[in-house]
Amino acid sequence: DAKTTQPPSMDCAEGRAANLPCNHSTISGNEYVYWYRQIHSQGPQYIIHGLKNNETNEMASLIITEDRKSSTLILPHATLRDTAVYYCIVRVDNADSWGKLQFGAGTQVVVTP
Amino acid sequence: DAGVTQSPTHLIKTRGQQVTLRCSPKSGHDTVSWYQQALGQGPQFIFQYYEEEERQRGNFPDRFSGHQFPNYSSELNVNALLLGDSALYLCASSLSTGGWNEQFFGPGTRLTVL
Repeated sequence: DAKTTQPPSMDCAEGRAANLPCNHSTISGNEYVYWYRQIHSQGPQYIIHGLKNNETNEMASLIITEDRKSSTLILPHATLRDTAVYYCIVRVDNADSWGKLQFGAGTQVVVTP
Repeated sequence: DAGVTQSPTHLIKTRGQQVTLRCSPKSGHDTVSWYQQALGQGPQFIFQYYEEEERQRGNFPDRFSGHQFPNYSSELNVNALLLGDSALYLCASSLSTGGWNEQFFGPGTRLTVL
């Protein structure tokens, strides 16, 4: 699986959009981009994933560049409950990788009032 | 519907001892994965169980072993504990059908080795 690079930390004001970058310059054509988050003292929680098209769900939007070498997770209206470590993961969806999520250090996001 | 549950929540052991951690998957899920998360780091994949067999394994020594029961619950066993085994141990469950299936994580068991 391709490696990812994320900033170690970032702050965001409550109510504003939080834009979390992730670089994955060695991504392969069949690798998906996943985002998970981990709120303090809890297990990681799935947010969103995509292959090449932009994706949106009730939690966030995922923007993947045309060359797929980077992506941005957007939390449209950050709340205090969005304070967490956010992980960007790149992986292939096949039987060999099922269940094997390779987490990096992630980005600590702090949402302030 | 209960999500993934783990027991115990906290555990303190001494070096050289053995420990067993338990996980009950989310209802309807048949696959269980275990992760180790050291303080300040992301979770690291230990292994995955499906149909009562280890299907995948990460870069962990044989001191780490597991088991899955017919009801899909799972245990993680660690022998000859080292100080470096102190970590949060996370269990994740999923449904093993074709394609991608979301993994649901439990709250973890905090293991401290003294």
